[in-house]
Amino acid sequence: QVQLVQSGPEVKKPGASVKVSCKASGYNFIAYYIHWVRQAPGQGLEWMGRINPENDATTYVEKFQGRVTLTRDTPSSTVYMELTHLQSDDSALYFCARGNDFRNYEFDSWGQGTLVTVSS
Amino acid sequence: DIQMTQSPSSLSVSLGDRVTITCRTSQSINNYLNWYQQKLGKAPKLLIYAASNLQTGVPSRFSGGGSGTDFTLTITSLQPEDIATYYCHQSYSTPLTFGGGTRLEIK
Repeated sequence: QVQLVQSGPEVKKPGASVKVSCKASGYNFIAYYIHWVRQAPGQGLEWMGRINPENDATTYVEKFQGRVTLTRDTPSSTVYMELTHLQSDDSALYFCARGNDFRNYEFDSWGQGTLVTVSS
Repeated sequence: DIQMTQSPSSLSVSLGDRVTITCRTSQSINNYLNWYQQKLGKAPKLLIYAASNLQTGVPSRFSGGGSGTDFTLTITSLQPEDIATYYCHQSYSTPLTFGGGTRLEIK
């Protein structure tokens, strides 16, 4: 079955960077986009960007341009999300999700989430 | 960017109720509208895609409707496991956006 497994929680100081991984299994890794969505405590869902594992093409939300980088490692079916220059309002639960471009581009499978805490 | 207006933001409900949540978009998105259920501390779960298609494994008491700019999610006969927050999501154009969420609470 389709599974996305993310790396564990992170605690970072302001100004630092964080890199979260998302390992995919149970399907053809290069056939589906991987998206990243974050959720601040008590808040809604915010899309950050996506990567096409087939060709490494990325799209980022303008708000995160220059601070977020999505990369992939095809042999291990893993996508990475790196966020730099962290501030306290980057403290959130970060999810990866598979985008189903064969249907309605909906997010049909999600990782379990990675809690990133930014604190001095 | 396409703005998503979801209402209500919260709803007090009783078990067995029929619940309707609405989502309005700032421009037409055809049927590129999806619905998710999120329980506290968990990842969202896809319920409905393409406005009205039930994801495999989702109970038939969930249904979706609408097209263009106005969409609905309906839960007939609310069950205890349906207490959660629900989000609409447009997959028509980037940046992809979500509604603000509708939190269901038991009366």
